[in-house]
Amino acid sequence: NAGVTQTPKFQVLKTGQSMTLQCAQDMNHNSMYWYRQDPGMGLRLIYYSASEGTTDKGEVPNGYNVSRLNKREFSLRLESAAPSQTSVYFCASTEGPGGSPLHFGNGTRLTVT
Amino acid sequence: AQTVTQSQPEMSVQEAETVTLSCTYDTSESDYYLFWYKQPPSRQMILVIRQEAYKQQNATENRFSVNFQKAAKSFSLKISDSQLGDAAMYFCAYRSAVLNKFYFGSGTKLNVKP
Repeated sequence: NAGVTQTPKFQVLKTGQSMTLQCAQDMNHNSMYWYRQDPGMGLRLIYYSASEGTTDKGEVPNGYNVSRLNKREFSLRLESAAPSQTSVYFCASTEGPGGSPLHFGNGTRLTVT
Repeated sequence: AQTVTQSQPEMSVQEAETVTLSCTYDTSESDYYLFWYKQPPSRQMILVIRQEAYKQQNATENRFSVNFQKAAKSFSLKISDSQLGDAAMYFCAYRSAVLNKFYFGSGTKLNVKP
């Protein structure tokens, strides 16, 4: 059982380049999330998808777009990367409303030069 | 939006001793869930313990237990008999029972001294 799978694990971009971070979960979860982790700031929510077909902005959505491709997959796109987007990105999922916890992927370390 | 505060950026504990990590949160909701996650140097996020706000009994998982004070909006994590493998970043998280959002604190780095 793979859980939440993120690709790639590492990525270096030049300013202005674009890329898509992929995320897939095999737990039949309804809700999926993208977080970024920066030193001293914990995890901040970029976008989330409460259920297939819906997406909503989180705390720091500027510069990002998302697509909930189907129930399993939730991708994060950087259209024009900036150095401020250098971070570790986590995808996570949970069953839905209620008290179920987040299950995380292993993260993507992105560096924008 | 709810806020979660971890006021201890870094802590140290001697192996086999007990340490308590603090977490406070701000909310106007009456029903919610609280979590502690561990992040070792591998970067993996691991669920440590979970607490339902409607339960007065504090959650316990082996050497990990919480002190949940709902009125004070406090949710501390106690690690007993600390082991070298407990060294990690620890994050406190809040989840609304209604909304599909999780809010995280800034984390506490725990060092375990042999």
